[in-house]
Amino acid sequence: SQQGEEDPQALSIQEGENATMNCSYKTSINNLQWYRQNSGRGLVHLILIRSNEREKHSGRLRVTLDTSKKSSSLLITASRAADTASYFCATDAKAAGNKLTFGGGTRVLVKP
Amino acid sequence: DVKVTQSSRYLVKRTGEKVFLECVQDMDHENMFWYRQDPGLGLRLIYFSYDVKMKEKGDIPEGYSVSREKKERFSLILESASTNQTSMYLCASSRGLEAFFGQGTRLTVV
Repeated sequence: SQQGEEDPQALSIQEGENATMNCSYKTSINNLQWYRQNSGRGLVHLILIRSNEREKHSGRLRVTLDTSKKSSSLLITASRAADTASYFCATDAKAAGNKLTFGGGTRVLVKP
Repeated sequence: DVKVTQSSRYLVKRTGEKVFLECVQDMDHENMFWYRQDPGLGLRLIYFSYDVKMKEKGDIPEGYSVSREKKERFSLILESASTNQTSMYLCASSRGLEAFFGQGTRLTVV
């Protein structure tokens, strides 16, 4: 069963705009990660946020975590055409045997 | 840089065939994983391994088995391929929390 559910499933924006996607999960987690997948390729790790953290930045990426709502958001600022990809959240939780569990992903299209 | 290499990018097999998907990592990671990815379902864990000769079932192990005889290599075996196993298969390795993925194998069973 999926622990994380991303929202929206798909997002289309113009280059230069910000892209925001959300991830909700069901059980208490240790950590939450975001990954990017370019079409037909493997996933690449973007950022990790621990359960005791509320916000984290990495370059143009900003991740927030609200454990009371069991949700996280990923913001990509000043998007570029190269940001076109699918984005997945992944959680690890004691209830899931500390395995990494992925959501269904958000497909992002950045139009030039 | 960590490199996770899957033996094939594309594979076409017939129903009933025994299929081997190979994955090799070069960073001495203890943990290795096999996922399958289907549209709308995200990544689902098939099997994982925390050490040589050690394996644990993931969420969807039925119809699959695995082998980890050496630390760097984790093989996924489809004992008798069926059309519902047509999918993208992703291998990953990790030491800590961050997972490193191979490029994926798109398997079609006809």
